Amino acid sequence: KAGVTQTPRYLIKTRGQQVTLSCSPISGHRSVSWYQQTPGQGLQFLFEYFSETQRNKGNFPGRFSGRQFSNSRSEMNVSTLELGDSALYLCASSLELAGPYNEQFFGPGTRLTVL
Amino acid sequence: QQPVQSPQAVILREGEDAVINCSSSKALYSVHWYRQKHGEAPVFLMILLKGGEQKGHDKISASFNEKKQQSSLYLTASQLSYSGTYFCGTEDDTDKLIFGTGTRLQVFP
Repeated sequence: KAGVTQTPRYLIKTRGQQVTLSCSPISGHRSVSWYQQTPGQGLQFLFEYFSETQRNKGNFPGRFSGRQFSNSRSEMNVSTLELGDSALYLCASSLELAGPYNEQFFGPGTRLTVL
Repeated sequence: QQPVQSPQAVILREGEDAVINCSSSKALYSVHWYRQKHGEAPVFLMILLKGGEQKGHDKISASFNEKKQQSSLYLTASQLSYSGTYFCGTEDDTDKLIFGTGTRLQVFP
């Protein structure tokens, strides 16, 4: 069974630009969560999508948005990029909503650098 | 509310034991533990549910004290392969899985 895939793996953008990251979950998984990882901050929760609906959202500004398609693939968009947005963005999929009975499977991440 | 992990870093020799703690200020429904090796994606270790269940994964076990909103991960007779950053994720009444800042574990021969 193929794992979670993320594209692209690396991105370099400049301040003010926007970026779209893609995540394909494991086949059959209906939940996709997005996390921002920076040194010292751990994994910061961005949002979770389930059946094309945003179910949960973390404490990030409105510049961060996402969506999920009918095939469970998900995209994350960051508009008006800032230097502080430089990070590793991880997506994770699970069979059902991330919760007490569902482990998450993480993708390799997209490394975003904002210059 | 991000859980607090301690210690922030641990250095061990092969065969030594370690304990990593995770605490929250909120009532928890479950605690999840993941390990991330350098340059790799986090990998699931175990989930602990309310009721103080203690789970095991080879020589790695964990406990969950729901009254104290704390979980501890026990690494026994550590191996080189245990090196990495350990994250606890907690689930409270917001239904979000929130991860701590991680504990970096290094095991040397």
